[in-house]
Amino acid sequence: GEEVAQTPKHLVRGEGQKAKLYCAPIKGHSYVFWYQQVLKNEFKFLISFQNENVFDETGMPKERFSAKCLPNSPCSLEIQATKLEDSAVYFCASSQISYGEAFFGQGTRLTVV
Amino acid sequence: AQKITQTQPGMFVQEKEAVTLDCTYDTSDPSYGLFWYKQPSSGEMIFLIYQGSYDQQNATEGRYSLNFQKARKSANLVISASQLGDSAMYFCAMREGRNYGQNFVFGPGTRLSVLP
Repeated sequence: GEEVAQTPKHLVRGEGQKAKLYCAPIKGHSYVFWYQQVLKNEFKFLISFQNENVFDETGMPKERFSAKCLPNSPCSLEIQATKLEDSAVYFCASSQISYGEAFFGQGTRLTVV
Repeated sequence: AQKITQTQPGMFVQEKEAVTLDCTYDTSDPSYGLFWYKQPSSGEMIFLIYQGSYDQQNATEGRYSLNFQKARKSANLVISASQLGDSAMYFCAMREGRNYGQNFVFGPGTRLSVLP
């Protein structure tokens, strides 16, 4: 597609429940990024992919967060056992080349109650 | 150390006037890209403009231009002829490394309010 598609738009989970977010990057884009934005300010990098390979996962709290980008499937970000502090907007972005701009999806607002 | 600094938490500008949003960056890598994004109250992130570290000329895109001063490590965004729809958060970001393979690092943002 011509835009990054993120689903769902909103997600509410009870503390301790699992949350799974999806992202379809723009067709032909090789790089996918996941960011967490809290209170419409700081963007925290989580993980990036080059095609289906993890490129950089230095931002991922690995004990509860995992992500995949498999061929012919949307990318996914999964949070096991959500915590209140996971409440945020999660953005997915894709870029065509390693040095180009990234285009963002609309974001998924996760609320943990 | 902060890689991207935006010293103006909030800015006001009168409609139709020009405004400059400041951004300074910190990197020791000779290869990097600088980007500006707009985030309106609706929440989406809109790409505005890009400047590569080796680009000789300042980038321009319509009413947006980037005042790139490499020696000072600054990449200020200039919006000419402000419109009410320009009211939003503006984020400066950098992507560094050979072929810029690393992820984007964002600044804290500047909230711009355009006054009628």
